[in-house]
Amino acid sequence: ELKVEQNPLFLSMQEGKNYTIYCNYSTTSDRLYWYRQDPGKSLESLFVLLSNGAVKQEGRLMASLDTKARLSTLHITAAVHDLSATYFCAVDMGAEYGNKLVFGAGTILRVKS
Amino acid sequence: DGGITQSPKYLFRKEGQNVTLSCEQNLNHDAMYWYRQDPGQGLRLIYYSQIVNDFQKGDIAEGYSVSREKKESFPLTVTSAQKNPTAFYLCASSTPGQGLRETQYFGPGTRLLVL
Repeated sequence: ELKVEQNPLFLSMQEGKNYTIYCNYSTTSDRLYWYRQDPGKSLESLFVLLSNGAVKQEGRLMASLDTKARLSTLHITAAVHDLSATYFCAVDMGAEYGNKLVFGAGTILRVKS
Repeated sequence: DGGITQSPKYLFRKEGQNVTLSCEQNLNHDAMYWYRQDPGQGLRLIYYSQIVNDFQKGDIAEGYSVSREKKESFPLTVTSAQKNPTAFYLCASSTPGQGLRETQYFGPGTRLLVL
């Protein structure tokens, strides 16, 4: 059974600071997603990471994937208040399992002014 | 505009009642999924369908049923057998094998509350 662990589960940071959210998973997968969720809202796709060594950047967020270590990171650079949300990583089980996703528990990010 | 719609936004269920949540997509996606989210937790897969007239159980299928009679539609029924249905229900769709387009896109969600 695939397990996905995110840490930290809660992150409070000052504006302008940098931090990294980690996503570890327990079995082989070469496809990982990062999503953002605002309170009471649905999930917004941030990044799709398709191969080992993949790195994607959008604004102050950068995601990477190391399939050998079964680790993905979401790095936040110079945080701003608008980044406050819950961030989920999700691992694709592959075509054999209908490409269903297994989600981490989420990281609640609060950026303080 | 292409997208996924879910209705209703809020749904109230009485004891012993079956209720159906609607999910429609006009993205021409083959695969559709239903997830449940409990407060402060991640999403858990209820059912998924890779093609019309076929669907598979996810991790928490007990007390739920689905149908996939049309490519665009994947309704979820929460039956009276589901003893703790209060949650946020999210529908998603994707087209596997399309590389970067393979992202699962999510609908706006339905919040189900028990009266």
